[in-house]
Amino acid sequence: DAGITQSPRHKVTETGTPVTLRCHQTENHRYMYWYRQDPGHGLRLIHYSYGVKDTDKGEVSDGYSVSRSKTEDFLLTLESATSSQTSVYFCAISESDRGFGYTFGSGTRLTVV
Amino acid sequence: KNEVEQSPQNLTAQEGEFITINCSYSVGISALHWLQQHPGGGIVSLFMLSSGKKKHGRLIATINIQEKHSSLHITASHPRDSAVYICAANTGNQFYFGTGTSLTVIP
Repeated sequence: DAGITQSPRHKVTETGTPVTLRCHQTENHRYMYWYRQDPGHGLRLIHYSYGVKDTDKGEVSDGYSVSRSKTEDFLLTLESATSSQTSVYFCAISESDRGFGYTFGSGTRLTVV
Repeated sequence: KNEVEQSPQNLTAQEGEFITINCSYSVGISALHWLQQHPGGGIVSLFMLSSGKKKHGRLIATINIQEKHSSLHITASHPRDSAVYICAANTGNQFYFGTGTSLTVIP
């Protein structure tokens, strides 16, 4: 969808297991973002990247890590999943820090049981 | 403290009505974005504004930088406009999101 794909689309995992979500883009955009969306909170930034190997934390980064070894891939890892991390996760990309070409992936619905 | 506030939270309209969704923000912005999220979850970027007004089809977005306020208008609303509309303030390297306005357009 518009050059950005997320995988998997759905995942159920057990508490305490590690989980990695993948975001892949074909737009060659510099900026990539991971958000979570929960009822009553809207979208909240977990981590973002402004280039290969350049990442920074967002407002809800505890319990999450990211890696960006290539322009096209941005990985989000839950080191030890907890039930509070049950959410819908969205990846987004943009050309610039102002948000030119701001495009979202289709989302990953993660359930931690 | 919410950096971005939207109103109303929920809105029901009859098909054909003119709709306005409001967004107020408290941060200094580089740009203001309007997003649309349909049931089923996909998020689409509608507008990116830094001043004035933009129009795309039946959708119009305006921004008043001095008042830190933006509006999204939908003319001649249609049931397919039913969605959640989200305002997002970009500060240069971060986005702050409103919690969204859920719009239902009844035939």
